Amino acid sequence: GAVVSQHPSWVICKSGTSVKIECRSLDFQATTMFWYRQFPKQSLMLMATSNEGSKATYEQGVEKDKFLINHASLTLSTLTVTSAHPEDSSFYICSAKRPLETGELFFGEGSRLTVL
Amino acid sequence: GQNIDQPTEMTATEGAIVQINCTYQTSGFNGLFWYQQHAGEAPTFLSYNVLDGLEEKGRFSSFLSRSKGYSYLLLKELQMKDSASYLCAAMDSNYQLIWGAGTKLIIKP
Repeated sequence: GAVVSQHPSWVICKSGTSVKIECRSLDFQATTMFWYRQFPKQSLMLMATSNEGSKATYEQGVEKDKFLINHASLTLSTLTVTSAHPEDSSFYICSAKRPLETGELFFGEGSRLTVL
Repeated sequence: GQNIDQPTEMTATEGAIVQINCTYQTSGFNGLFWYQQHAGEAPTFLSYNVLDGLEEKGRFSSFLSRSKGYSYLLLKELQMKDSASYLCAAMDSNYQLIWGAGTKLIIKP
């Protein structure tokens, strides 16, 4: 079964509003989670690395004030797209790995955001 | 710089065998991953190689040559459900994944 759950799966919002996406690790404590964005027919683009209890590490070109990441507990990280615009419409995916393991990444189901 | 190369698209016939190649250049190396991604869904883990050689797992096998910076994913007895994108990703010395653009595999009856 799924070990990382992401919610919501689909969200449609008006331009200018904010949207929050949740990523939960279900059967392990994830000190680190990763947030990706994927545009149609393109590969995953790492947006940021979310660290429990500290600030997220953002990739170059990703706006920190626009994509707010909060990793308040060992099982939950949230991504908030603030003042969303149509160009923010994309597939957002989170992933996590078990602590002290360098292997498999477990992915959430993904969240498809459409900004009207 | 760090780079992953894999073909954009491949076509194969149901029941046949297909090999998807991946070459990588990373700062340090901590393993090579293959993921499968169906359209509109999140990636799912297929394999992880960190030592040279072939790892077989059912109909799927993955090969790694560290000296050549090369890996391939071999899919046997292809089924229509294998139509998907296959993502190659290499882990660098900082344990960060460097992702390829993915290979879209089209299976024809």
